Amino acid sequence: AQSVAQPEDQVNVAEGNPLTVKCTYSVSGNPYLFWYVQYPNRGLQFLLKYITGDNLVKGSYGFEAEFNKSQTSFHLKKPSALVSDSALYFCAVPYGGSQGNLIFGKGTKLSVKP
Amino acid sequence: DTGVSQNPRHKITKRGQNVTFRCDPISEHNRLYWYRQTLGQGPEFLTYFQNEAQLEKSRLLSDRFSAERPKGSFSTLEIQRTEQGDSAMYLCASRTQVTDTQYFGPGTRLTVL
Repeated sequence: AQSVAQPEDQVNVAEGNPLTVKCTYSVSGNPYLFWYVQYPNRGLQFLLKYITGDNLVKGSYGFEAEFNKSQTSFHLKKPSALVSDSALYFCAVPYGGSQGNLIFGKGTKLSVKP
Repeated sequence: DTGVSQNPRHKITKRGQNVTFRCDPISEHNRLYWYRQTLGQGPEFLTYFQNEAQLEKSRLLSDRFSAERPKGSFSTLEIQRTEQGDSAMYLCASRTQVTDTQYFGPGTRLTVL
């Protein structure tokens, strides 16, 4: 069965410091992996995805994610955090290949302090 | 701006009442998904449509829930005889058949008193 896990409920970083939000996955077949961000009382916004190819994926708002097959991880990163990055971040994997509905992790709350 | 719209944004109702939500997907997207998100959790899949056909329903979708997409454009999600446990954010997403990225609307927050 496809699944993702986000081991941290909350991540705290200072503005200007690098940030990492962790995600590990368990999939059968080729992994398709997504990151979404959710601001308070809003829907989810797509950040980036890994389908195949380069293990370092670049996305919106300066975010990137590194796909690591040996560690079954897909961690979200940003070199320099902004206060406006404070939000809820979700890792997701499609059920049954790229065409299926998304299975989400529980989410990680990112708090960036000035 | 993802282009998926949902109405209403907020709905407060009393237990036992029926409610209906609407989702308008991005115009060229033929796949439409409904998810439910409760506090502190990630979204959970409810059902999805390809054009007007409802192709899959989650076990979360009890008999009190029904979804339609009559003309393959907008979709409605109805909950009959609401219960307090139905209180959640209901999210709609759409995508094309070719691309693999789902784009989400702002959600409808339901509160059942």
